[in-house]
Amino acid sequence: DVVMTQSPLSLPVTLGQPASISCRSSQSLVYTDGNTYLNWFQQRPGQSPRRLIYKVSNRDSGVPDRFSGSGSGSDFTLKISGVEAEDVVLYYCMQGTHWPFTFGQGTKLEIK
Amino acid sequence: EVELLESGGGLVQPGGSLRLSCAASGFRFSNSGMSWVRQAPGRGLEWVSGITGSGGATDYRDSVKGRFTISRDNSKNTLYLQMNSLRVDDTAVYYCAKGDRLTDYWGQGTQVTVSS
Repeated sequence: DVVMTQSPLSLPVTLGQPASISCRSSQSLVYTDGNTYLNWFQQRPGQSPRRLIYKVSNRDSGVPDRFSGSGSGSDFTLKISGVEAEDVVLYYCMQGTHWPFTFGQGTKLEIK
Repeated sequence: EVELLESGGGLVQPGGSLRLSCAASGFRFSNSGMSWVRQAPGRGLEWVSGITGSGGATDYRDSVKGRFTISRDNSKNTLYLQMNSLRVDDTAVYYCAKGDRLTDYWGQGTQVTVSS
């Protein structure tokens, strides 16, 4: 199975400052159709996950533009350009290229 | 509006069985792959199983292979997860999600507790 490694697992942040989460896969996530199925999810306490980014860098409808995704192959990043209080929750990357699909361990943002 | 409503969770003894259902609406169900994802208490997300829109292809994480079966009834817009030989470490909230490679919408989840 493809192993997804997120870092850091805990990220102290200052409101208004940028933040960045890394996600690395144990093999390339480029699928035979040319797409790279790397998604990012946000999860608030007691709620279902919400997708923020799909196929590396496509922002979902309603997601603030302070969130951006980048990367290629097996190395990906989620960036928040200026952290707001509502962003201080959990984030997961997920690969949908190789079955069985797999998630990273999760990164918890916390106020510094 | 996409809606996914899971049901069928509950308390079961080790070795027991449960069948989860997910009623879908607001999109062309038969055109969409679907997934089950679970989250144990205080733990991260774990992809459990997926199925293509036609039902012709399925896959499972290793720890549930041979015990869980995913299926769908496109005439009823419903996804299922038959869970047999349940173990304590299957205890989790089970989410139904629209899509497979690009899971976008998620249900609210149903709690499965395996305990004696």
